Amino acid sequence: LAKTTQPISMDSYEGQEVNITCSHNNIATNDYITWYQQFPSQGPRFIIQGYKTKVTNEVASLFIPADRKSSTLSLPRVSLSDTAVYYCLVGNNAGNMLTFGGGTRLMVKP
Amino acid sequence: DVKVTQSSRYLVKRTGEKVFLECVQDMDHENMFWYRQDPGLGLRLIYFSYDVKMKEKGDIPEGYSVSREKKERFSLILESASTNQTSMYLCASSLLDRADNQPQHFGDGTRLSIL
Repeated sequence: LAKTTQPISMDSYEGQEVNITCSHNNIATNDYITWYQQFPSQGPRFIIQGYKTKVTNEVASLFIPADRKSSTLSLPRVSLSDTAVYYCLVGNNAGNMLTFGGGTRLMVKP
Repeated sequence: DVKVTQSSRYLVKRTGEKVFLECVQDMDHENMFWYRQDPGLGLRLIYFSYDVKMKEKGDIPEGYSVSREKKERFSLILESASTNQTSMYLCASSLLDRADNQPQHFGDGTRLSIL
């Protein structure tokens, strides 16, 4: 199973761009990289997923270098409501063995 | 929108009791999962199921069992609850698609306290 390492916490201010990097040195060829967001008293919510290069959706971008040993979640112009825990996962649905790390606690300040 | 519903948000049980946590999803997903979440440890997979009556152990199956008699329902069972099973329990489901990776959809969790 590919394990992930990400910072325990990060602070930011409203309107800033936030980049959270995740390391996954032993990612397998058929593994995807998926990011989830979790608010207190709620289950994690899917944000974005990618396999290589760059993926963008309405809430975030995901940058994956060619060696795929790391990935960076980019949140443009964060607001107070983006304060949450962000989890990076590496795995694939066929194996169903996704491993959640400890997550990154993002605090957005006014 | 996918809805994953867990039967209770809060539950208090006593040591030694048999505890059932129920989870229902409404999107005909093949895969269902049970996790527990503890401070500082993130989410840890207990069991998952990719079909009716099928189950696979996750990272921490000890002390738990599961049941999947119908596709939409996945139950987690604590045969004899112990205080170290006090935790937040999260259920998730996903579509089985071998050509692409489908994300998991989570319920809002059951906070279980064992006294």
